[in-house]
Amino acid sequence: DVKVTQSSRYLVKRTGEKVFLECVQDMDHENMFWYRQDPGLGLRLIYFSYDVKMKEKGDIPEGYSVSREKKERFSLILESASTNQTSMYLCASSLRGVGTEAFFGQGTRLTVV
Amino acid sequence: LAKTTQPISMDSYEGQEVNITCSHNNIATNDYITWYQQFPSQGPRFIIQGYKTKVTNEVASLFIPADRKSSTLSLPRVSLSDTAVYYCLVGDLPRGGYQKVTFGTGTKLQVIP
Repeated sequence: DVKVTQSSRYLVKRTGEKVFLECVQDMDHENMFWYRQDPGLGLRLIYFSYDVKMKEKGDIPEGYSVSREKKERFSLILESASTNQTSMYLCASSLRGVGTEAFFGQGTRLTVV
Repeated sequence: LAKTTQPISMDSYEGQEVNITCSHNNIATNDYITWYQQFPSQGPRFIIQGYKTKVTNEVASLFIPADRKSSTLSLPRVSLSDTAVYYCLVGDLPRGGYQKVTFGTGTKLQVIP
């Protein structure tokens, strides 16, 4: 089974802190994604990566950055956490190519106080 | 990127067939149509994917008319465990072969005993 693992299930951070959310996948997928999910807004794409050291902005990249130094690991960085970044964060991975399915992690619920 | 429109919520009794329709008027030639299911506090899970006509697997059927401007997810004989949010999405396949997967707000299906 494909496994996408997010490093934390729950996190509480203070405003202004630098926050790292880590995601690891074990199926040698080229693509990796970070989403945030908020009530009434569905899943919104923050960033995605289609190869090591490659990244593309999604729909809401402001306030976030990403790092992909190894194929299996994709990190989301909140440079200076703010309360409006309190959300559920979901990582996903998929193979490159036509019509491939994405596999999701369990999510990290981040609260910024 | 093709946008999707689907009902915000639906109710159904146990044992009934449920059809959820998604509108995607500006779907591109290369776009696949994919449906995901999400339970509370979990990441989305792939259900079914198609390009045209009808696709069936052990979980659901997907009907896509010839113009591909809409699609219908059909869940046969739903049970309480099918209560979830269902997302319809279409893929973006730019040159280079990677796929950006963008979700909408989904349809919240409530199955009633």
